[in-house]
Order: sequence, then structure tokens, then C-alpha cells
Amino acid sequence: GAVVSQHPSWVICKSGTSVKIECRSLDFQATTMFWYRQFPKQSLMLMATSNEGSKATYEQGVEKDKFLINHASLTLSTLTVTSAHPEDSSFYICSARDGLAYEQYFGPGTRLTVT
Amino acid sequence: GIQVEQSPPDLILQEGANSTLRCNFSDSVNNLQWFHQNPWGQLINLFYIPSGTKQNGRLSATTVATERYSLLYISSSQTTDSGVYFCAVDNTNAGKSTFGDGTTLTVKP
Repeated sequence: GAVVSQHPSWVICKSGTSVKIECRSLDFQATTMFWYRQFPKQSLMLMATSNEGSKATYEQGVEKDKFLINHASLTLSTLTVTSAHPEDSSFYICSARDGLAYEQYFGPGTRLTVT
Repeated sequence: GIQVEQSPPDLILQEGANSTLRCNFSDSVNNLQWFHQNPWGQLINLFYIPSGTKQNGRLSATTVATERYSLLYISSSQTTDSGVYFCAVDNTNAGKSTFGDGTTLTVKP
């Protein structure tokens, strides 16, 4: 149980284009999902908290107009990187909480390369 | 915000050896989890352990909440244990976790 999927697992896009990443909880309902970013050999940095049916809460320093988050249902959250630039290249990971439980379950991540 | 320190940053072991990884945190927490990030980037839940002791096979963990630290024990290490081990803590009601910098474990055959 407690499986989280992400799609795509990797994507290469040209500078200036937008990329959408999907995060799904497969066997539980996730009222809260989180989006993280990880640079090579570094830790995970929380970008935003996504709550079903409401606006996402962004961490300080994260541009909400650049990283659009939509949590349309209890099993799906999406992250759209708009007008991507090479510095947006990173490993993006989502996680989900099962209901009100504290424990988080992580997706396999999406490796984004912007050329 | 809460500070999370993990030690050691790097650890190299011979297969079969035991190890202890440490996570110190600067404030009381609602939640503490240990994860293993495999070479492909997937984070695997090891333990949800805000307090007390748990064991799962060759792995066990202990959190002493009053003294603000947690330990992850790996016994009889195997090459497949290699990767980065993260401690993540949450001291909010929003479920937001702060990650330590991780311990990179290399187990040699």
C-alpha cells in the first residue's frame, strides 16, 4: 500500500517552454501533497504544499508564477514549470500524506533537463 | 525554522559490518521519518518514528524525543544498502518536513 507515482520520470525540454509533472496517489486519498526539488548531491528542499481544492502554499523564495501547482482531486497534484530555463533543471519529487496521518510517501521523482 | 543535522556525512563499510547513523534536531517534533534514497532517486520509507524504538529486519531506529536525536542502526550491511539516508522532521501541524543533509553510505563487497 501507500504508492505514489510520478509522470514523466524524465523530460528534456527547450528553454522557454512549459513542462507539466503529475503526481498521483495510487491506493489512498491524499488531502495534502508536497513538491520538493533536489540538486545533485544535495538534500531535498520543500517548494510548496498542495492541498486538495485550495491554493498551494509556497515556501519563501519559490516563484509561484513560475511553478504552478494544481491539486484537482484527492489523488492528483500537478506541477507546471512555466517558461523553463536551464537553471530550472533539477530532480523534482512529490510526496503525499495518507489522510491526516503524518507519514509521507514519496514518488519516484522526475528529472527535468532544460536545454 | 528547525535545524536538522545528520552525521556522519559519509560512511564506507565492508559488507557484513554494522553502522549507526545519527540525526540531531533543534526543536521538539511531531513527526520523524528515516528514508533511504536509492541510486535512481527513489525515497524509500524506512521508519516513521517520532519517539521510541522500532525494528524491521536488519534495520532498527530509536528516537529520544526529549534529547532531540534519532539513531538508525544497520546490521550486517549489504551492498544493496548503499545510497543516501535522510532523516526528515516536522514540527508544524501542516505536515511539512525538513530534511537533513543525509548520510551517504557505501557498502563494499
